[in-house]
Amino acid sequence: DIQMTQSPSSLSASVGDRVTITCRASQSISSYLNWYQQKPGKAPKLLIYAASSLQSGVPSRFSGSGSGTDFTLTISSLQPEDFATYYCQQSYSTLFGPGTKVDIK
Amino acid sequence: QITLKESGPTLVKPTQTLTLTCTFSGFSLSTSGVGVGWIRQPPGKALEWLALIYWDDDKRYSPSLKSRLTITKDTSKNQVVLTMTNMDPVDTATYYCAHSLFDYGSGSYFDYWGQGTLVTVSS
Repeated sequence: DIQMTQSPSSLSASVGDRVTITCRASQSISSYLNWYQQKPGKAPKLLIYAASSLQSGVPSRFSGSGSGTDFTLTISSLQPEDFATYYCQQSYSTLFGPGTKVDIK
Repeated sequence: QITLKESGPTLVKPTQTLTLTCTFSGFSLSTSGVGVGWIRQPPGKALEWLALIYWDDDKRYSPSLKSRLTITKDTSKNQVVLTMTNMDPVDTATYYCAHSLFDYGSGSYFDYWGQGTLVTVSS
């Protein structure tokens, strides 16, 4: 089975900061990697699919990159509404990563 | 406008079978590339994918839970049903259903989600 790891597991940042979250697969998954944002008490929201495609309606400060085993989600300028937990998900076997919590410094 | 809503019991006893229904609107599960999946989240923990059924009745299951899960669809009723046998307190979680799109270039992803339903397993 393909395993997913994310780093860091949590981070503290300030509004306006550039934030990068990393997701790593235990074997190559091509570009079959998605990113979701989840706020407390809410359902997850799709941000990025196929590693780098921005979902409709998602602000352009979110971007994704990578292929093979290493992927990144970047928030170019963190906004107050971006404090949340972020999950990667590989679509070979649909498994989610363990999540990265982004909170206020 | 795509919407999904989960329904089912809020409380089940250990060893019982859980049956959850996802009722959706705004799309057809007979359209090529479309699927509906189930994902759960124990309180304070990460998302865990459970099962996914595609337009062509292809079914996928989490390897760790495969023996306990069954997913079916009723296209005429716009419903997908998930059953999970032998429930245990560790299965206490919010259970979500979600609309999935698939193509060979992008893989599959969940672009619309239901609000989730909390299922507690306790005697």
